[in-house]
Amino acid sequence: QKEVEQDPGPLSVPEGAIVSLNCTYSNSAFQYFMWYRQYSRKGPELLMYTYSSGNKEDGRFTAQVDKSSKYISLFIRDSQPSDSATYLCAMCVDSSASKIIFGSGTRLSIRP
Amino acid sequence: NAGVMQNPRHLVRRRGQEARLRCSPMKGHSHVYWYRQLPEEGLKFMVYLQKENIIDESGMPKERFSAEFPKEGPSILRIQQVVRGDSAAYFCASSPPPGPGSFTDTQYFGPGTRLTVL
Repeated sequence: QKEVEQDPGPLSVPEGAIVSLNCTYSNSAFQYFMWYRQYSRKGPELLMYTYSSGNKEDGRFTAQVDKSSKYISLFIRDSQPSDSATYLCAMCVDSSASKIIFGSGTRLSIRP
Repeated sequence: NAGVMQNPRHLVRRRGQEARLRCSPMKGHSHVYWYRQLPEEGLKFMVYLQKENIIDESGMPKERFSAEFPKEGPSILRIQQVVRGDSAAYFCASSPPPGPGSFTDTQYFGPGTRLTVL
């Protein structure tokens, strides 16, 4: 079993829709949870991070962590074609973030 | 402030040759990480280095792969006697030294080197 499971998609939604991306994990020691966005042929860039359980909002993006269920989500409101990318969840155990475990990524396409 | 730089961006090697991938971290960053990404897969941690020191190489294959981060110059990921299965995108990331009790929430990623082994 992988430490982090993520549906690879692809996921295609119309512009303006709310997008929900999810990951599950098995290691209860994970404390920091991150979402990266990766455009085609580019390196990943950090979108958001959350410590422990709870919600965090940044503009059109909301990250949720439910440690009791070992389940994390990223919501994108008012989705735009420019949001089309692969989204990778990632997590680590401690604050040094020296060893980050990534999900396999969900490929998202926003149709104009 | 230039981001993480990797070169070459594309590298083609024949089986049995050596591949050298270079990574220059962001200015002020002293920690470097190497990841491998296979098609349709996430990034797999390979190695974590500080200047002149390998901190964690638990993700590195035991043979043919090595990494260094010298006092001067870029970090190098070296793959000897490449095989077709080494074909992948190799990403480098860098981060500043962690402060006491702080979360180095960002590993800044470079654009990657795409290695193709013929």
